[in-house]
Amino acid sequence: DTGVSQDPRHKITKRGQNVTFRCDPISEHNRLYWYRQTLGQGPEFLTYFQNEAQLEKSRLLSDRFSAERPKGSFSTLEIQRTEQGDSAMYLCASSFGGLAEYAGELFFGEGSRLTVL
Amino acid sequence: AQSVTQLGSHVSVSEGALVLLRCNYSSSVPPYLFWYVQYPNQGLQLLLKYTSAATLVKGINGFEAEFKKSETSFHLTKPSAHMSDAAEYFCAVSRKSSNTGKLIFGQGTTLQVKP
Repeated sequence: DTGVSQDPRHKITKRGQNVTFRCDPISEHNRLYWYRQTLGQGPEFLTYFQNEAQLEKSRLLSDRFSAERPKGSFSTLEIQRTEQGDSAMYLCASSFGGLAEYAGELFFGEGSRLTVL
Repeated sequence: AQSVTQLGSHVSVSEGALVLLRCNYSSSVPPYLFWYVQYPNQGLQLLLKYTSAATLVKGINGFEAEFKKSETSFHLTKPSAHMSDAAEYFCAVSRKSSNTGKLIFGQGTTLQVKP
């Protein structure tokens, strides 16, 4: 098991461009989460999937953001028309969902750092 | 709404000294509580969690935390700091009833360990 992997690790883009991040979760995990972390702050929840279904989205997730998990395995997070305020670390995590004993036990990737110029 | 407050964004201790990182939560009912650690250039990893069993929870690397309902606290301690403990620590809460596994994090505390 190689853990949660994210790609790319770093992305520098110009304002107005679109960017896409990919997350490959731990294969046995049915839940996948996206968080955003800015400097000096804790991670903020963006959205999560159970299998291929997107079950919750944060109000932080504007209509420029879209996330998919088409086959219940990897996920993508796309940001359209990027703004400087989108600069952050985007974290992906996965977990076993639906079992109380695993509640909150998230396995995080190393993150994808976005810099919008 | 649930929230987490970590008192002190930076804590500095000498190697061998006690580590105490403070976390207070706000929730209408006792939630699940967690401590995560983030080492440089690594993903967050779970240190320990409280899910309404024993109030004193032991985690990895010698860390432990005590749930105190009357104080709405979940402070993290370690009797003797090692240089390898230098990292950022996050306290988090999750609502028991929702079963989403969604975590709400505090702003983090950076632990510095001096030789």
